[in-house]
Amino acid sequence: GEEVAQTPKHLVRGEGQKAKLYCAPIKGHSYVFWYQQVLKNEFKFLISFQNENVFDETGMPKERFSAKCLPNSPCSLEIQATKLEDSAVYFCASSLTKTDTQYFGPGTRLTVL
Amino acid sequence: DQQVKQNSPSLSVQEGRISILNCDYTNSMFDYFLWYKKYPAEGPTFLISISSIKDKNEDGRFTVFLNKSAKHLSLHIVPSQPGDSAVYFCAASDSGTSYGKLTFGQGTILTVHP
Repeated sequence: GEEVAQTPKHLVRGEGQKAKLYCAPIKGHSYVFWYQQVLKNEFKFLISFQNENVFDETGMPKERFSAKCLPNSPCSLEIQATKLEDSAVYFCASSLTKTDTQYFGPGTRLTVL
Repeated sequence: DQQVKQNSPSLSVQEGRISILNCDYTNSMFDYFLWYKKYPAEGPTFLISISSIKDKNEDGRFTVFLNKSAKHLSLHIVPSQPGDSAVYFCAASDSGTSYGKLTFGQGTILTVHP
């Protein structure tokens, strides 16, 4: 598509439950980036993909967070055993190349109760 | 370690006047800078960018200026319109080592009064 799509728009989970977020990049874009925005503060980089390969995962909390980009499927970000501090808006962005402009999706608001 | 800083949390401007949003950075490896606009409950929308080989880039009402020696960039909006009211984020990347990831500032809330 012509826009980055993210689902769901909102997600509510009890502490300890699993959360899974999805992102469909712009058609033809090879790079996907995930960012976390907590309490309207600046965006924190989590992970990026070049097609289905992890490109940079330096921002990922390794213990409970995982992500995938499989061929012909939306990319996903999964949080096992969510904690209160995971409450945030998670944005996905895609770009043609690693240095091209990143275009953002509308975000998924995760609320952990 | 805040590598990109927007020191003004908010800015209020009259319609038709110029809006100037500022951004400072500390990492001298940053070589690509972008401005995004964000409305509540939406994703950031790309506005304009500038490479470190330039000192100015213009697109319609939006101009970005880059002062590499001062590690400072600014976004000028002329003339400002009420629809420009939003949060503006400055972002930077280092194409050599950061694999494209963006480092964002904290944002500046721009309010344009009719």
